[in-house]
Amino acid sequence: DVKVTQSSRYLVKRTGEKVFLECVQDMDHENMFWYRQDPGLGLRLIYFSYDVKMKEKGDIPEGYSVSREKKERFSLILESASTNQTSMYLCASSPLGVTSGSTHGTQYFGPGTRLLVL
Amino acid sequence: AQSVTQLDSHVSVSEGTPVLLRCNYSSSYSPSLFWYVQHPNKGLQLLLKYTSAATLVKGINGFEAEFKKSETSFHLTKPSAHMSDAAEYFCVVTRGLTGGGNKLTFGTGTQLKVEL
Repeated sequence: DVKVTQSSRYLVKRTGEKVFLECVQDMDHENMFWYRQDPGLGLRLIYFSYDVKMKEKGDIPEGYSVSREKKERFSLILESASTNQTSMYLCASSPLGVTSGSTHGTQYFGPGTRLLVL
Repeated sequence: AQSVTQLDSHVSVSEGTPVLLRCNYSSSYSPSLFWYVQHPNKGLQLLLKYTSAATLVKGINGFEAEFKKSETSFHLTKPSAHMSDAAEYFCVVTRGLTGGGNKLTFGTGTQLKVEL
């Protein structure tokens, strides 16, 4: 089974702190994603990476950065946390994009990190 | 651009009655569509997917969805709800391949409540 793990389930930080959220996958997937989930808004893509050291902005990258130094690990960084970044953060991974087949469109999600910024 | 609209933010059914969760899509090309489910305090899980093969797609736990191009819909159904079906359900469309990634666009979610 694919396993995607996130370093913390719950996190409380103060405004202005630098925050690191870590995600590790064990299936040698090329693609990794960071989303935030807010009530009534669904999941919104922050950043994704399709290879080591490669990254691409998603829909809401402002206030975030990412790092992918190893294939299995994808980190989300909040340079200076703000209260509007209080949210559930979800990491996902998937095999390299294909147009069809059993893995098409399938992403494997971690359990999420609920971040509260005070 | 590809998008999905989930028509109900909350749906409540009695156990043993049918479930209908509605989703409309907008796409400039033939889309791939998915339903994901998120149980409380658990990660999202793929329920089923449509990728231009059969228009009626069967998923896990007795759920199915029908792709209707004329109505631009991909509604999720189940003949008989079970208490364990209580969860949040997301309708999802692929954006296509960019930079090798298979990015997804999620709907805003439908919270399904199942009552005794």
